[in-house]
Amino acid sequence: EPEVTQTPSHQVTQMGQEVILRCVPISNHLYFYWYRQILGQKVEFLVSFYNNEISEKSEIFDDQFSVERPDGSNFTLKIRSTKLEDSAMYFCASSELSGGAGEQFFGPGTRLTVL
Amino acid sequence: AQSVTQLDSQVPVFEEAPVELRCNYSSSVSVYLFWYVQYPNQGLQLLLKYLSGSTLVKGINGFEAEFNKSQTSFHLRKPSVHISDTAEYFCAVRSNTGNQFYFGTGTSLTVIP
Repeated sequence: EPEVTQTPSHQVTQMGQEVILRCVPISNHLYFYWYRQILGQKVEFLVSFYNNEISEKSEIFDDQFSVERPDGSNFTLKIRSTKLEDSAMYFCASSELSGGAGEQFFGPGTRLTVL
Repeated sequence: AQSVTQLDSQVPVFEEAPVELRCNYSSSVSVYLFWYVQYPNQGLQLLLKYLSGSTLVKGINGFEAEFNKSQTSFHLRKPSVHISDTAEYFCAVRSNTGNQFYFGTGTSLTVIP
C-alpha cells in the first residue's frame, strides 16, 4: 500500500541553524501539506502546496519557513533559523484531491528538537 | 474558522470493554468530520469520516462515530476494544471548501489486559 514517508525521523539542531525536513508524498498525489504538533498541543496546519505554489498557509508559517518540491518525488520544509519554540513533531501529508472531502494521507512525522 | 475539543486526554479501558472518545467542534460553516489514529512511530491513519448522509459512520477496526449537529459532537465508539487499539486518537474538522484540517489535542487510549 502506498504511503507517505518522512526523513529523518528525529532531527536535533542548535538554535539559529537551518533545518530541512524531507517528505516523499504518494506518487500520484498532487496536493501536499505540512502540519506540526508541539508536545501536548494540537496538530496545527502550516501550509498547503499545489502546482509548485503555496495555496494556503497559516499564521504560523512566517518568513522563516519555506517549502519546495525540488524534484518529482520530494517535498521539503525548510526552517531558516530555528528557535526553541520550533521544537515539535512535523507531519507531511498528501492528497489526490483538494477540498473538504478529499482524504489526506499522513507520514509518520519528524521530531525536531531545537537546543 | 473551526476548532475541535477533545475533552479526554487519556482514556484507560480494560480489554473487551466498550469505549467512547469524545469530540466537540465549533464552526460557522459546514464541515466534514474525521477521526484519525496514530499508532506508536507511525503516521496518522484515517479511521472514519463524516461527509453527509447517515449520521452514524462506520470505520475500520470496528470503530464507529455519530455526528450530532445539535450538540456539535462527533464521538467515537467501539463496543469491545482490543490491546491493539492502544494508540492516540485525533478528531479533526475541515470546511467543505478548504484544505486545512483543524485537529483536537488527541486522546491517548490505553487498553489494559
